[in-house]
Amino acid sequence: SQTIHQWPATLVQPVGSPLSLECTVEGTSNPNLYWYRQAAGRGLQLLFYSVGIGQISSEVPQNLSASRPQDRQFILSSKKLLLSDSGFYLCAWSTLLGGELFFGEGSRLTVL
Amino acid sequence: GNSVTQMEGPVTLSEEAFLTINCTYTATGYPSLFWYVQYPGEGLQLLLKATKADDKGSNKGFEATYRKETTSFHLEKGSVQVSDSAVYFCALSDRDSGGGADGLTFGKGTHLIIQP
Repeated sequence: SQTIHQWPATLVQPVGSPLSLECTVEGTSNPNLYWYRQAAGRGLQLLFYSVGIGQISSEVPQNLSASRPQDRQFILSSKKLLLSDSGFYLCAWSTLLGGELFFGEGSRLTVL
Repeated sequence: GNSVTQMEGPVTLSEEAFLTINCTYTATGYPSLFWYVQYPGEGLQLLLKATKADDKGSNKGFEATYRKETTSFHLEKGSVQVSDSAVYFCALSDRDSGGGADGLTFGKGTHLIIQP
């Protein structure tokens, strides 16, 4: 069966420090991969998606970036965190165009 | 563009009460519709889905019917439990708009609180 894992689960970082959140999917090949952010208002904001290795589409311009170095690995990064980057980050995958998404457990980032 | 509108709440009910969470959508094509549930501190879990008009999705006592004529996908449960307390998200995926790979369009979520 397919599984998705993301880490770390919780992260507290100072303003201006770098960020790396990692997500891996097991049990499937060539998934579509996504990073969402859920801020205090509970809504979900799509940050990045990827349909293949090295292919990244950005939905919202900001100081975050994403990379997909391997088929089932998706990384969210920042060189310098801002206070506004605090939130709950969710990785997700899908295999069908237009099909449902399957989410990881989430990573809670607090920037102080 | 596509959009999903749902009541934000919080919605507070007593145990064993009947639940309805309204969801309406706007889409350019013929979307698939989903309900997700998020328990505190966790990721989203798919609760149920419907892929065409008049389909009924159901799971764990929850139901939702895809109503094309009213562009709605309301979530219902006959008798809620304290363990149903969570945030519920309505979402759509519109393959016919040509953007199927770019994820789902989500509503803002409805916080449901069930009191014993």
